[in-house]
Amino acid sequence: DVVMSQSPLSLPVTLGQPASISCRSSQSLVYSDGNTYLTWFHQRPGQSPRRLIYKVSNRDSGVPDRLSGSGSGTDFTLKISRVEAADVGIYYCMQGTHWPHTFGQGTKLEIK
Amino acid sequence: EVRLVESGGGLVQPGGSLRLSCAVSGFTFSTYWMSWVRQSPGKGLEWVANINLDGSEKHYVDSVKGRFTISRDNAKNSLYLQMNNLRADDTAVYYCARDGGGSGWYYWGQGTLVTVSS
Repeated sequence: DVVMSQSPLSLPVTLGQPASISCRSSQSLVYSDGNTYLTWFHQRPGQSPRRLIYKVSNRDSGVPDRLSGSGSGTDFTLKISRVEAADVGIYYCMQGTHWPHTFGQGTKLEIK
Repeated sequence: EVRLVESGGGLVQPGGSLRLSCAVSGFTFSTYWMSWVRQSPGKGLEWVANINLDGSEKHYVDSVKGRFTISRDNAKNSLYLQMNNLRADDTAVYYCARDGGGSGWYYWGQGTLVTVSS
């Protein structure tokens, strides 16, 4: 199975400051159709995961443009330009190129 | 409004069985693949199984093959997960989710907790 590795696992951030989460895969996530199926989810305590970004950099409806995804091949990044209180929670990357689809361990973002 | 509502979770002894259900509304159920995804403290998020439009194609993560069976009833807009020979490491919150192919799952239920313990 493809292993997804996130860093850091804990991310304390001051309100208004930027934040960045790294996600690395053990194999290239470029699919035969040319797409790269790397997805980011956010989960608040007691809630279901919410998809934020798909195919590396496509934001879902309602996701603020403070959040952006980038990367290619095996190396991906989620960036938050200015952290707000609503951003706290756990962020997961997930690969959908290879079966089974697999998730990273999660990065817990908290406010300093 | 899209809604996915899971039910059927609970406490079960090792080796026991449970059947989870997911009632769906707000979209044409029969035109989407569906998945079960689980979340445990020890293993995080894990895709468990998915099923195609008419139930003729099913896929499972290796750890549940031969023990879990995914099924659907398009007439009832419902998804199911029959779980047999349950083990302690199956303890998790189980979510049903509308499959988005390689882009994962946009719509999720609220989850149902399965606890396997003696």
